Amino acid sequence: GAVVSQHPSRVICKSGTSVKIECRSLDFQATTMFWYRQFPKQSLMLMATSNEGSKATYEQGVEKDKFLINHASLTLSTLTVTSAHPEDSSFYICSAPLGANVLTFGAGSRLTVL
Amino acid sequence: AQSVTQPDIHITVSEGASLELRCNYSYGATPYLFWYVQSPGQGLQLLLKYFSGDTLVQGIKGFEAEFKRSQSSFNLRKPSVHWSDAAEYFCAVLTGGGNKLTFGTGTQLKVEL
Repeated sequence: GAVVSQHPSRVICKSGTSVKIECRSLDFQATTMFWYRQFPKQSLMLMATSNEGSKATYEQGVEKDKFLINHASLTLSTLTVTSAHPEDSSFYICSAPLGANVLTFGAGSRLTVL
Repeated sequence: AQSVTQPDIHITVSEGASLELRCNYSYGATPYLFWYVQSPGQGLQLLLKYFSGDTLVQGIKGFEAEFKRSQSSFNLRKPSVHWSDAAEYFCAVLTGGGNKLTFGTGTQLKVEL
């Protein structure tokens, strides 16, 4: 079945470095993808909507320059956490629409910033 | 603005017992409602969804949910819980257009053997 693949599943980086997380739709095309952030034991918060061929749409309060999103093709969206700091440590999950009104989610990427 | 409330942060049930997880939503139009399950460190798996029609919807893994417009609720139920059902459960509502999901805060289910 249709799957969304995220890579890496876990990443540890030093403070001040940048980290890229990839989200790929397998066996289907996604002109739109969604990036969520989940703090420990909390719900998922939508960060931004990634649009193929155009700029991402960010939710209120999300820093565009901190969380760079690029939707390079119909099957790939990337989230780059720039100049990461410990407070950026979180679980990041992407999703893509699969048919009408249904989203399929990736397995998530756990970022730990030391 | 749309919102989803899951009143129970934690629920513990014995294996074989019945389960009901509560979800209330606030949304002006007819809601599209979902239940997702998340195992530790994993992404979300769709259990079931309601768009229209029969208000009792069946999902995977023996789960069902009932949409009650008068109560703005979409509670998840399972007649007999299995130990493998221990996970975090999220109720969500889809806003009109754009496939944006608003999630509840989640209910952590623990199953005692």
